[in-house]
Amino acid sequence: EDQVTQSPEALRLQEGESSSLNCSYTVSGLRGLFWYRQDPGKGPEFLFTLYSAGEEKEKERLKATLTKKESFLHITAPKPEDSATYLCAVRTSGGYNKLIFGAGTRLAVHP
Amino acid sequence: GAGVSQSPSNKVTEKGKDVELRCDPISGHTALYWYRQSLGQGLEFLIYFQGNSAPDKSGLPSDRFSAERTGGSVSTLTIQRTQQEDSAVYLCASSLALRGHEQYFGPGTRLTVT
Repeated sequence: EDQVTQSPEALRLQEGESSSLNCSYTVSGLRGLFWYRQDPGKGPEFLFTLYSAGEEKEKERLKATLTKKESFLHITAPKPEDSATYLCAVRTSGGYNKLIFGAGTRLAVHP
Repeated sequence: GAGVSQSPSNKVTEKGKDVELRCDPISGHTALYWYRQSLGQGLEFLIYFQGNSAPDKSGLPSDRFSAERTGGSVSTLTIQRTQQEDSAVYLCASSLALRGHEQYFGPGTRLTVT
């Protein structure tokens, strides 16, 4: 069964304290790994798509990386406005275009 | 440009009543998806449309749930004889089928069944 696991469930950082969020996956065939940000009361906001091991993408203070078993979302020198839930999702070869989501990591950045 | 819009933003209904949730995708997006997000659960796939056809309905939890899409644009998710366990945020997403497959989400409809 295709599965996505995110860790930690919650993370509290001081402003400027860099860290990483983990997304591990077990799928029949990966056709893309997606990172989203979700603020309270809003829909998920697309951040990155990664397709193959070794691929990296960056946007402002965020960098996403992919290996054959997991993805990391690195947050460099975070600011309070980076506080949100970060969701990881995969699209698999057997699942048309649907996304399978992890439970998310709730990030709180304090000044 | 305009993003995905959903209506209503909030819906409170009594157990046993039917509800309709609406989604307007981004203009030109041929693929449309419905997901459900419950407290303590991740986003759960419900149904996928390509144009007006639904090749993947595997996530619909019971025959009380149905969805349609007309004109390759607006979609309606209908829940008949609502139950308390149907309470959740229902999210719609759309994508350009041939471009990266990234899905763009609407703000969701919060459904509360009392």
